[in-house]
Amino acid sequence: DSGVTQTPKHLITATGQRVTLRCSPRSGDLSVYWYQQSLDQGLQFLIQYYNGEERAKGNILERFSAQQFPDLHSELNLSSLELGDSALYFCASSATGTENYGYTFGSGTRLTVV
Amino acid sequence: TQLLEQSPQFLSIQEGENLTVYCNSSSVFSSLQWYRQEPGEGPVLLVTVVTGGEVKKLKRLTFQFGDARKDSSLHITAAQPGDTGLYLCAGPHSGNTPLVFGKGTRLSVIA
Repeated sequence: DSGVTQTPKHLITATGQRVTLRCSPRSGDLSVYWYQQSLDQGLQFLIQYYNGEERAKGNILERFSAQQFPDLHSELNLSSLELGDSALYFCASSATGTENYGYTFGSGTRLTVV
Repeated sequence: TQLLEQSPQFLSIQEGENLTVYCNSSSVFSSLQWYRQEPGEGPVLLVTVVTGGEVKKLKRLTFQFGDARKDSSLHITAAQPGDTGLYLCAGPHSGNTPLVFGKGTRLSVIA
């Protein structure tokens, strides 16, 4: 157990639907990162939050949004889902947002859009 | 264009063999990290290298950061089936930006 909790572990939904992925960071970590992993693209950075505020944005589609709540858990919302959104979605956390010390990843949510 | 290129993409070897996988970039990185990912799990941090020319050892794994801080290698001695997994290198593209990842080397060690 890495200390980063992601739910649900698996999600199957239809095109056009909306889903919410949830992440609880490791205790004491203020930074949360969301990544998308597909076979052809590898791990792609989506968005980072630090202590409730958006800090960095990557290749996140406009149909996707995220937030970090006062208790530091984070949610990634995916809407108007397309077949191509099927992927593994990982949440990671770090203590300070200082990248040199590495991230702790959760076990991921496998999203299948049918 | 992938900022971090990893090679080889796939590697299948027999137990007891030695191997080296590579992570290369045309950009300078302040640090590089190596992760191992097993099926159904998230990546797990193995090591961070910070200084050009730095060598770090973790049991049978040896990590090296290039002198110019543009590349890194991972050498495994006497590979075991438990080493099987996806090996990813990652680093902050510039300053304190979130990590960018290579696509990884998928290693299979056959008993």
